[in-house]
Order: sequence, then C-alpha cells, then structure tokens
Amino acid sequence: DSGVTQTPKHLITATGQRVTLRCSPRSGDLSVYWYQQSLDQGLQFLIQYYNGEERAKGNILERFSAQQFPDLHSELNLSSLELGDSALYFCASSARAGAITDTQYFGPGTRLTVL
Amino acid sequence: GEDVEQSLFLSVREGDSSVINCTYTDSSSTYLYWYKQEPGAGLQLLTYIFSNMDMKQDQRLTVLLNKKDKHLSLRIADTQTGDSAIYFCAETPGGSYIPTFGRGTSLIVHP
Repeated sequence: DSGVTQTPKHLITATGQRVTLRCSPRSGDLSVYWYQQSLDQGLQFLIQYYNGEERAKGNILERFSAQQFPDLHSELNLSSLELGDSALYFCASSARAGAITDTQYFGPGTRLTVL
Repeated sequence: GEDVEQSLFLSVREGDSSVINCTYTDSSSTYLYWYKQEPGAGLQLLTYIFSNMDMKQDQRLTVLLNKKDKHLSLRIADTQTGDSAIYFCAETPGGSYIPTFGRGTSLIVHP
C-alpha cells in the first residue's frame, strides 16, 4: 500500500459527460501528479500540483483540468468525454516540488470507461 | 519513434533469471528507473540508477546501464511467481524531473 488513495476505483459514463476523479496524497507529501495510462499511448504525464499551485504540465487536453485543495487532496476534472478518454488514471504523490531524487508513490488508479 | 522502448512480453520458468531490456533516446537522461505494476495496483518504484553508474545491485535485482548504447536492463535472479507483473522502464530527460515511461514489459513466470 503506497499511502496514496484514489476514488472511485471504477467509473462508467457516456460520451459528452463530465467526471471528477479524486486523489489523496501520502501523509506529508506536497506534490500530486496525474497520469493517464491507455493501451495506445502508454503512461502519459498530465499535470503536477505542488502545495496548491500548478507546477508542471504535460500532455493534458484542454477539456481536462485539475486542482489541489488546501488539505492537499487533488481532483482531476474530465469534461466533454470522448470514447478515447477511456483509460486508467493514476495519481502519484511526492514529498517535494520536483527533485529528480524525489520518489513518486502511485495510487491504485481509477479506471474510466466512456461508452 | 518512442522515447523509451521495451519489448511487450517476457516469459520465464520459475527459478530462472529474467532480463528485461529497455532502450532510450535522450543522451542527457539523468536518472533511469524501473517500476513494477501488479494487477489492479499502481506503479511501485523498484530501483533507479544515476546516469554516471554502470551497475546497481539490490538483493535479487541487478540494473545494468550502457550509456553509450542508451540501453538499460533489469535482471531478476531466481524469478518467482510473485514477480509476475508489468515492468516499466522510465527516464528523466535532462533538465526534467518528470519521468518518461516505456510501455511496459509483461513478465509471465510459469512453474
């Protein structure tokens, strides 16, 4: 158990809908990272927040947004969903803002299915 | 082509050694990582190697880095059924702390 929790575990929704995925980092960790894992793209970095502020941005679509709250939990909002958004969404946390030696601890993921 | 490449599958017999290979393209990579993903779980960091090292050993795991060929390998000695998982190679390109992941190698251990 990494100490990172994600809810829900599974989510099934329809095209055009909007969903929110939630992540609680390990106790004491200030950074949260979001990744998308799909069959065709592999594991792609989406976005990172550190202590409430956006820190780094990867291949995140404009239809997706995220935020980190004062209690350090984070939410990933996916809107106008398309079939291709079906994937496993992982959250990871680390202690600091982004040092190479800063280990990322991954949550178990949320499996999103868009029908 | 992909920044980090791995073969998709590896099948070994229990008790044998497994060698999972990875190639990467960024010669300025600073750290290279191996992660393990078990079914229904997130990625777990197994080990990492700094780019100025050739080898790192940690119990049953041996990581070899050939920087000239941009080739990384993970050797698991005495492979057990519990080692069955997907193994991801990752690098941090120069100047970045966000890892770039390969697509993962599914290791299947059979009796």
